[in-house]
Amino acid sequence: KNEVEQSPQNLTAQEGEFITINCSYSVGISALHWLQQHPGGGIVSLFMLSSGKKKHGRLIATINIQEKHSSLHITASHPRDSAVYICAVRYPDKLIFGTGTRLQVFP
Amino acid sequence: DAGVIQSPRHEVTEMGQEVTLRCKPISGHNSLFWYRQTMMRGLELLIYFNNNVPIDDSGMPEDRFSAKMPNASFSTLKIQPSEPRDSAVYFCASTLGAYGQYFGPGTRLTVT
Repeated sequence: KNEVEQSPQNLTAQEGEFITINCSYSVGISALHWLQQHPGGGIVSLFMLSSGKKKHGRLIATINIQEKHSSLHITASHPRDSAVYICAVRYPDKLIFGTGTRLQVFP
Repeated sequence: DAGVIQSPRHEVTEMGQEVTLRCKPISGHNSLFWYRQTMMRGLELLIYFNNNVPIDDSGMPEDRFSAKMPNASFSTLKIQPSEPRDSAVYFCASTLGAYGQYFGPGTRLTVT
């Protein structure tokens, strides 16, 4: 069993839809990261959180430490949001990655 | 700041050749990470340094791989001899303390 599991693996949406990507982990962590990897391959760190909720523009990330679960939400999705979204947990000092969720948003 | 710089961006080499990948972290960052990404295994940590000292190299696949960080502004990942199964994208990332990691653009390595 992977220590970090993401769902769904693939997701398609129409522009404007609300999107949720889930991440569950099985180890005690000090922080959780959400990363975005665009088709060109570059990786951008979206959020790092250890409790509660963070918001940046149309992106919202939440984490429930007791349930070992995090969600990434995208409101009013846009085709430029099409990318692979990767959840990674810091345990104890290094990152363990999920397999990613491939999101495609169509106009 | 220019961000994390990696070179080369693309490398094509023949099996058995030595390959050296280079990384310049963001100035002031004290931790540096080398990752490998393949379709089959996704992103994997190979090794990381803290204050230029290797902390965890358990992800290094075998003795053919070695990494150095001679100073705070430069690191290398070397593969000798290279094999086709080493073909992947290699990312370098740096961070300061417990903050988020900044990734370089990656080096796409193809070993034929």
